Formats: sequence, structure tokens, C-alpha cells
Amino acid sequence: NAGVMQNPRHLVRRRGQEARLRCSPMKGHSHVYWYRQLPEEGLKFMVYLQKENIIDESGMPKERFSAEFPKEGPSILRIQQVVRGDSAAYFCASSPHTGTNQPQHFGDGTRLSIL
Amino acid sequence: DAKTTQPNSMESNEEEPVHLPCNHSTISGTDYIHWYRQLPSQGPEYVIHGLTSNVNNRMASLAIAEDRKSSTLILHRATLRDAAVYYCILRDVDNAGNMLTFGGGTRLMVKP
Repeated sequence: NAGVMQNPRHLVRRRGQEARLRCSPMKGHSHVYWYRQLPEEGLKFMVYLQKENIIDESGMPKERFSAEFPKEGPSILRIQQVVRGDSAAYFCASSPHTGTNQPQHFGDGTRLSIL
Repeated sequence: DAKTTQPNSMESNEEEPVHLPCNHSTISGTDYIHWYRQLPSQGPEYVIHGLTSNVNNRMASLAIAEDRKSSTLILHRATLRDAAVYYCILRDVDNAGNMLTFGGGTRLMVKP
């Protein structure tokens, strides 16, 4: 079984450009979670999506960041007008169900560098 | 999520058992105890989870104290590939299905 696939693995953008990060969950998983890991810091939750719906975006910055999980295709995390502080590793996870008993399965992340 | 406390780092010798402790004195009766690890340059990897009883799987064992205020992740024979940051995370019903709250974790170093 293929795991959670994230691409690109590395992404370089200049300040002011847009960054699009893609995440394909494991087969049969309809719940997707995005986390961000800033340099020398721990992982922080950003957003939780189910197919076509945003369930919890309490960790998303209020501006420039958006996420979607369409009926067909991967989940996308979009960052508009990137700034240096957006440089981080962005991880996606998926699970087949919700609940405190459910593990989340992570991809290997996209490392975003802002010049 | 309730708070967990872990040592910042631990060292182990290869092929010896490793016991990684986690304190969670404010745990509630419905909180599950999850462990993840993150190898260098990789995403977090689920290791094991439990509620009250000890748990075993192919990767590790989880020993949960009777009062549930602490738990220990046990790697039975450490290998160099087990060098990683290990995170102990509590998941509560108020936050069901949503976020994992990662603390600082324990950085495990394995010496050959």
C-alpha cells in the first residue's frame, strides 16, 4: 500500500510568490490533516479536512493560507504572497476515520524555502 | 490536550532495550496515550497507542501505569535506525479526530 504522498519534496519560492503543496492520502483515507514544523520547533497543527469540507482550521494563519480537499484529487495547501517566515517543513497526515483511537499516517513533507 | 512531560534526550546502546518515559499527571479517564517518532528528514511515524492496558506491536511495547499518570515506551532491541525524536501525545474526546499536539519529545541517540 502506498503511504501518504506529498509533493514536491522541496519547493523554493521568492517573496511574494505563491506556493502550492499537494498531499495524496493513503488509499481509503478520507480525513486529511496539515501540520507545519518551523526550524528548530515542534510540529503544529494547521487544518483538518474531510472530502470537500474544512472541519477545523484553528491552526491556520488568518491571512494568505488556504486549504482544500476536493472530491477528486489531492489535498492542496496554498500559501499566497509568501514571506521568509513561511520557510518550514509542511507535513500532511491522513486517517480512515476520526476519533482518539485513530492513528494519523504522515507523509515525508514538503520543505519550503523562501528566498 | 492534557500536557505530557518527557526527558529532552536519552542515549542507548545498540541491541539493548530502551525505556522512554512519559509523565501525564493530568490525564483524564478518556484520554488515549499515543506515541509517534520522527526520524531525521522524515515525517512523524505512528508507533503505538493505548488506553489502560499494556499494548504490544511489531515496533514496540507500551506500558501504562495503573493510575495512568505515566507510561513507558519500550523498544526491545534498539538499532541505529531507531535514533529519532519520540513524542508522547494524549488525545482527548474534546479534540477527537482533529489535531495531534506535539511537545518537544525525547531525542533518542543509539550508540553502536
